[in-house]
Amino acid sequence: DAGVIQSPRHEVTEMGQEVTLRCKPISGHNSLFWYRQTMMRGLELLIYFNNNVPIDDSGMPEDRFSAKMPNASFSTLKIQPSEPRDSAVYFCASSQGRRGTQYFGPGTRLLVL
Amino acid sequence: AQTVTQSQPEMSVQEAETVTLSCTYDTSESDYYLFWYKQPPSRQMILVIRQEAYKQQNATENRFSVNFQKAAKSFSLKISDSQLGDAAMYFCAYRSLSSGYSTLTFGKGTMLLVSP
Repeated sequence: DAGVIQSPRHEVTEMGQEVTLRCKPISGHNSLFWYRQTMMRGLELLIYFNNNVPIDDSGMPEDRFSAKMPNASFSTLKIQPSEPRDSAVYFCASSQGRRGTQYFGPGTRLLVL
Repeated sequence: AQTVTQSQPEMSVQEAETVTLSCTYDTSESDYYLFWYKQPPSRQMILVIRQEAYKQQNATENRFSVNFQKAAKSFSLKISDSQLGDAAMYFCAYRSLSSGYSTLTFGKGTMLLVSP
């Protein structure tokens, strides 16, 4: 069974450009999480969805960040406009039910120049 | 809010030896999960082991086992017969089950170095 799929795996962009990260959760999982990992702040939860509905977006840094989950098999995290401080590894994870374990995708390494 | 503390930024072990990584957490809840995730240089987050707070028995997965001390709020990971492939960053994580929705709270991580 395929795990969580993220694309792209690497993204290099220039400051001010729009960046879109994509995630396909494990089939049958109904919760989806977006995390950001940096050296300074470690792993931070940005937002999570349950049954395609955003539950808690308090971790989203600012209005430049937005996330959507139009259906159970796809989610996007968009940064517009991007800034150098957004450079990080962005992980998507999914789980099933209230007690389900979160399984992580391979991450997207974002570099904003 | 819950907090997770990993007091060892880095640990070293020789191949075939045993190493223990420490983790403490702070919570007022009684129903929760604890996890250890491994992150090798590839950056992939890999689940190593999971412990349910209501279970007194310590979880084990092959060479990996935990020492779960609920009263002390301690959750250490023991790696036996260490292998070169165990070299990675290890994260301890807490997940509340007291509310309807819950997410993971991670510690800062412990870098494990394995020498031949």
